[in-house]
Parts: sequence; structure tokens; C-alpha cells
Amino acid sequence: GQQLNQSPQSMFIQEGEDVSMNCTSSSIFNTWLWYKQEPGEGPVLLIALYKAGELTSNGRLTAQFGITRKDSFLNISASIPSDVGIYFCSGAGSYQLTFGKGTKLSVIP
Amino acid sequence: NAGVMQNPRHLVRRRGQEARLRCSPMKGHSHVYWYRQLPEEGLKFMVYLQKENIIDESGMPKERFSAEFPKEGPSILRIQQVVRGDSAAYFCASSSGTGTLNTEAFFGQGTRLTVV
Repeated sequence: GQQLNQSPQSMFIQEGEDVSMNCTSSSIFNTWLWYKQEPGEGPVLLIALYKAGELTSNGRLTAQFGITRKDSFLNISASIPSDVGIYFCSGAGSYQLTFGKGTKLSVIP
Repeated sequence: NAGVMQNPRHLVRRRGQEARLRCSPMKGHSHVYWYRQLPEEGLKFMVYLQKENIIDESGMPKERFSAEFPKEGPSILRIQQVVRGDSAAYFCASSSGTGTLNTEAFFGQGTRLTVV
């Protein structure tokens, strides 16, 4: 089956630092999505990428869809305490989402 | 995502009992998806339903698990004769079915099932 490898598994950073995480796949996806999940909550969509090579920003978040359509990265600039959570990449088919195992982000004030 | 309502938020069942998880999609959404999340894992697709129809149940165990989305009322994920391995968080998502289905899917807050 399709697998997504997400790295790093966890990160501890100082407030104000930039963060980068990435996701690779054994399969090609037509759409890449990045979600954030906080404890006890469901995933919330952050950024959606639709075309290979696409670079999209949402505030302090920037994500890119790899040219091979098998990878994506997410950058967070100038981290703040409320960025804490688990970030999931997801490859999308027509309706089914395949998730990575997540990157757990901790921000030290 | 607050528009997708799941209940209960927490459910405790003894081994062998039945668990019924409910999902009310966002207003105007007729497509529902169920996902399961084990601790320290990402979400895994279980089933995709439209009103009164199961479209894809390829991610759902063949035994003890069933799902429905009736014409009226919420979608139900039913787990019969629960075992400890069924303990997980179960998330429902809904979409309108127009445009890009997957990126218009909004998740609920989940039901955390604990089997004791």
C-alpha cells in the first residue's frame, strides 16, 4: 500500500526559530495536504498543494509540492508557542487521504 | 472543522460489547469519511459513504465493523464485540462532493474509544 515517510518525528525549537519538515512517498499523489492536530482535536487543514512544483504560503507557513510528485515540505517561520502540535502530511487521491505519522513540534518560549 | 459533530467524544466499552459512534456532517455536506488513528500514528482511511450508499469500505475490517449514512440522521460507525485492539481515536470528515472532494473535507473532533 501507499506509505508516507515524514521527518523528523519530533522537534524541539526555541520561539522565534524557523522550522522545516518534509514528507516523502513511494507513490505519486496528485494533491498534497498539510494538517495540524492539537491534543484531543481533529486535524485542521493548513495548506493544500495541487500542482507539481507549486509553492504556497499561508501566513508564516510555506509548503511546496515536489516536482516528482512524491514529496513535499512545510516550513514555519518565526515560530510561536501556539505552533505546538503534530503536523501531518497527507497525499490525496480522488477522495481518500493517506497520512504520514506526523512531526511533533514543541516550542520553547 | 467545528461544523462536523461527533459524539460521544469519549467512549469506554468492555470487551465483547458494541460501540456506536455518530457523526453529523457539516450542513450541506452529503459525503462522509471515517478514519482511525492509533496512538503515535497518522489517520488511516476506513470508509467513504454518501447518503444511503457505501462508496468505498476498503479500509474497514471485514468483520465486526460496519458503517451507514441513512437518508435522515447521522452517519454511524458500529463496532460489534469490541476487543482491546479497537481502542483508538475515530475521526469523521465530511465534504460537499463538489469541486475537489478531498480538500473540502473537514474533520470532526473525534471519538476516543477505550476498550477495557
